[in-house]
Amino acid sequence: GENVEQHPSTLSVQEGDSAVIKCTYSDSASNYFPWYKQELGKRPQLIIDIRSNVGEKKDQRIAVTLNKTAKHFSLHITETQPEDSAVYFCAARNMNSGYSTLTFGKGTMLLVSP
Amino acid sequence: DTAVSQTPKYLVTQMGNDKSIKCEQNLGHDTMYWYKQDSKKFLKIMFSYNNKELIINETVPNRFSPKSPDKAHLNLHINSLELGDSAVYFCASGSVAQYFGPGTRLTVL
Repeated sequence: GENVEQHPSTLSVQEGDSAVIKCTYSDSASNYFPWYKQELGKRPQLIIDIRSNVGEKKDQRIAVTLNKTAKHFSLHITETQPEDSAVYFCAARNMNSGYSTLTFGKGTMLLVSP
Repeated sequence: DTAVSQTPKYLVTQMGNDKSIKCEQNLGHDTMYWYKQDSKKFLKIMFSYNNKELIINETVPNRFSPKSPDKAHLNLHINSLELGDSAVYFCASGSVAQYFGPGTRLTVL
């Protein structure tokens, strides 16, 4: 089955700095890669996703890059703000399999200090 | 107006009891899921249902029994609760992007 590794497990930055979270996956058939943000005591919320036919996707201050050859993808947050503090999860899935589901990384706790 | 809802939000019970968690989605999705999030925040799939049929059962003890009366509902019944069942349980729906419910924090004493 799929295995997703996520690094770092914790990340502390100053407000205004950039933050990068990296994930690797094992199944070359995976072709859908979402990122979720989970604030304390809340539900995971989808913030951005990318499919394998695209190398990069941006949405305001967040961007995701995908390297299919190396089987890794990254989340980039620019101009971080205290409200970006949360746990971020990457995930991977093979959308061509009807019996697959999302496999999540173990999460990165991002702390943005004012 | 909540897209994916679950009840109850908190559940505190004694070991050995049986309890149920209900989930409903109004997004029109065919596929629904149950996830378990342990104390280390790790999100693990438990079950996946598509159009009321079980698609995925990820090595979950048979004390856990999901039931889908219709496409919009996926309930989770747990028999003979154990201390290790304490966790936050999330329902989700969606065929591609998945949308999570607010979670049910289960505490087994």
